[in-house]
Amino acid sequence: QQQVKQSPQSLIVQKGGISIINCAYENTAFDYFPWYQQFPGKGPALLIAIRPDVSEKKEGRFTISFNKSAKQFSLHIMDSQPGDSATYFCAASYNQAGTALIFGKGTTLSVSS
Amino acid sequence: EPEVTQTPSHQVTQMGQEVILRCVPISNHLYFYWYRQILGQKVEFLVSFYNNEISEKSEIFDDQFSVERPDGSNFTLKIRSTKLEDSAMYFCASSGFLEKLFFGSGTQLSVL
Repeated sequence: QQQVKQSPQSLIVQKGGISIINCAYENTAFDYFPWYQQFPGKGPALLIAIRPDVSEKKEGRFTISFNKSAKQFSLHIMDSQPGDSATYFCAASYNQAGTALIFGKGTTLSVSS
Repeated sequence: EPEVTQTPSHQVTQMGQEVILRCVPISNHLYFYWYRQILGQKVEFLVSFYNNEISEKSEIFDDQFSVERPDGSNFTLKIRSTKLEDSAMYFCASSGFLEKLFFGSGTQLSVL
């Protein structure tokens, strides 16, 4: 019940295209859903996050879509750039500092120029 | 931008030896965490620490692990007797009252 399932495992997108990564969770008590971006040799960095009281959140080229009834959320990267090539992790937790982030298995995105 | 600093970046140890991984969290943060990432796998929660005590820990964080905030700036993870399966990248993170975590660049631990 604590799992977060992420797909696809890897993704190749052409420059300028849209990258879409999907996640599903089981625990309906989760109420904070962040996406992290990780470059090789670096720690994960928060990209964008959403709470279940909204269905969509947009920051620049990055959008989270959230479907509470389906227990799914997704990351859309518009106008994908080679600099977006990284590993992306979705995560879920309770809306409280100090609690565990449960991560998905990650998606390796390659944006070809 | 403030950052979480981890040392060393790489640590090689023999099975059965004790290791201490060190972290300097962001100075005004109150919550401290350790996560680990086995090569090619997902990031896994180990422990969170607040007000000088463990607030949450995972099943991975057994009696071989301990955490300490020995002074006002450092946060350490000790593995008492390392096993081969402890080989992983260990990430320290910190946060304020909000749940946004800032991660360090990690310590790659190799147990031989």
